Amino acid sequence: NAGVMQNPRHLVRRRGQEARLRCSPMKGHSHVYWYRQLPEEGLKFMVYLQKENIIDESGMPKERFSAEFPKEGPSILRIQQVVRGDSAAYFCASSPWNRATGTGELFFGEGSRLTVL
Amino acid sequence: AQTVTQSQPEMSVQEAETVTLSCTYDTSESDYYLFWYKQPPSRQMILVIRQEAYKQQNATENRFSVNFQKAAKSFSLKISDSQLGDAAMYFCALGGSEKLVFGKGTKLTVNP
Repeated sequence: NAGVMQNPRHLVRRRGQEARLRCSPMKGHSHVYWYRQLPEEGLKFMVYLQKENIIDESGMPKERFSAEFPKEGPSILRIQQVVRGDSAAYFCASSPWNRATGTGELFFGEGSRLTVL
Repeated sequence: AQTVTQSQPEMSVQEAETVTLSCTYDTSESDYYLFWYKQPPSRQMILVIRQEAYKQQNATENRFSVNFQKAAKSFSLKISDSQLGDAAMYFCALGGSEKLVFGKGTKLTVNP
């Protein structure tokens, strides 16, 4: 049973380019979360998605960032016109969680490290 | 809003000794979960232990145990018989109706 798969593991972009990070949740999981981790800091929530729906995007910057989780295929976090401040590790997590039966645990991928030159 | 505070940026312990990492939180929800995650240098987030708020009994997983004080909103992690492989960043997390909220982490060093 494969875990949460993220790719690429490492991505280098120049300022102004676009970055696309992909996440395939664990089999059977329909909830996907994206978190950002800056150096020496904890994980900051960005967005929570279910298939074809954004449930909570309260942590997403208003501009340049978008996320989707289509009916088929992985979830994608897209950063347009990247700036140096976007350099960070981006973690995806998935969960089968529903409030009635779940445990609340998130299963994390290994992260995608974005470096903006 | 839910918040998680880890007041110890760094801690160190001698191998085979015991160490306690502190965490306090705030939430208005009555039904929630608390977690400790470990992040070694590989950066993989690994679940260490989980506590359901409705359970009074403290969770235990081998050498890891928690002291859950619901009224004080405190959730500390005790690591017994520390091993070199325990060296990592440790994050306390609070899960309510939707997402997990993380503290800033405590860097644990284990000295041989």
